[in-house]
Amino acid sequence: DAGVIQSPRHEVTEMGQEVTLRCKPISGHDYLFWYRQTMMRGLELLIYFNNNVPIDDSGMPEDRFSAKMPNASFSTLKIQPSEPRDSAVYFCASSPFAGLLREQYFGPGTRLTVT
Amino acid sequence: DAKTTQPNSMESNEEEPVHLPCNHSTISGTDYIHWYRQLPSQGPEYVIHGLTSNVNNRMASLAIAEDRKSSTLILHRATLRDAAVYYCILNSGGSNYKLTFGKGTLLTVNP
Repeated sequence: DAGVIQSPRHEVTEMGQEVTLRCKPISGHDYLFWYRQTMMRGLELLIYFNNNVPIDDSGMPEDRFSAKMPNASFSTLKIQPSEPRDSAVYFCASSPFAGLLREQYFGPGTRLTVT
Repeated sequence: DAKTTQPNSMESNEEEPVHLPCNHSTISGTDYIHWYRQLPSQGPEYVIHGLTSNVNNRMASLAIAEDRKSSTLILHRATLRDAAVYYCILNSGGSNYKLTFGKGTLLTVNP
């Protein structure tokens, strides 16, 4: 399997523009997670889905952020409008287990720079 | 989930064993102990997990104290490729799929 795929790997945009980050989870995985990592705040969970349904979005910083999972093989994280403080590395992860194990497989990340 | 405490950084020499400690004094009976690591410029990767008994896999060993208030990740022979940030995370299982990453331990491996 190719692992979790994220695109783009790097994104540079100007403040106020819309940004869309994409993720393809590992086939067969029921859970999908979006994280954000910065030097100041570390790795934070933004939202996660189970079977394409958002389960917990308490980590989404504000209404400018939205995430969707239209099918089992694709998810998007959108920021509209973007701000310089949104600059971070955004990771997508997926997990196959519905039982006790919580093993998550992370993608390579998208490095977002908002100028 | 209960809080974990790890040293900010540790250093090791190549081909020597490394013991990475984690304190979790408020761990509950249902909390699993997970370890992830993050290599430079990569996403985190799963290393190992356990509940009460010591665990071994191809990457590492996990030693859990009898009272479960602390655990140690053991890399038996450190390589340069093991240089990473190591995160110790507790998760209560059940319907809780959230992993809360702390600051972790930055492991430096000297050649």
